[in-house]
Amino acid sequence: EAQVTQNPRYLITVTGKKLTVTCSQNMNHEYMSWYRQDPGLGLRQIYYSMNVEVTDKGDVPEGYKVSRKEKRNFPLILESPSPNQTSLYFCASSIAGGRTGELFFGEGSRLTVL
Amino acid sequence: EDQVTQSPEALRLQEGESSSLNCSYTVSGLRGLFWYRQDPGKGPEFLFTLYSAGEEKEKERLKATLTKKESFLHITAPKPEDSATYLCAELYSGGSNYKLTFGKGTLLTVNP
Repeated sequence: EAQVTQNPRYLITVTGKKLTVTCSQNMNHEYMSWYRQDPGLGLRQIYYSMNVEVTDKGDVPEGYKVSRKEKRNFPLILESPSPNQTSLYFCASSIAGGRTGELFFGEGSRLTVL
Repeated sequence: EDQVTQSPEALRLQEGESSSLNCSYTVSGLRGLFWYRQDPGKGPEFLFTLYSAGEEKEKERLKATLTKKESFLHITAPKPEDSATYLCAELYSGGSNYKLTFGKGTLLTVNP
């Protein structure tokens, strides 16, 4: 089954404790991206990756890092989480470098930073 | 700044009561207008892509249309299982990035 898998789905952590949200897709997509979803603000892009070893900032990259060492994986790293990073995070992938606009989203990871 | 505005924020319908959701966009040179459905606790799921004014796409009880300034998602004789948040998004192209700019969504509730 074609899917984008995120882990963990739910996480409560404390300020400053480094964490990683993993994302893996099994569709051989080159393009992957991270979004966060907040009430009243909608979905906003954090980082994206056009292919292995190619990543770039989206609209709200501050406080986040990503890496793309393999085509299927695109982890999101919060080096020193802060309460304003409490959010619902989605990983997404797409064919054709994302230019079709048809993204496949994961189930989401709900993060709470105390 | 690119903006995608959806209305209404929430819509409550009775089963069988047809209606429309609106999405207006401001970016010139549209590269694509997209509709997604999001169920509670799930990621958005792609529904439609529209590229040019006058274009229409249909899927079951849903029909998406596009004009030069806005898009409509028409829901005909909805059922309770159509309850979800419907997101509209515009494709933005900047450098090597193809990014979707999403609206805040319309929460649709269909009562039996």
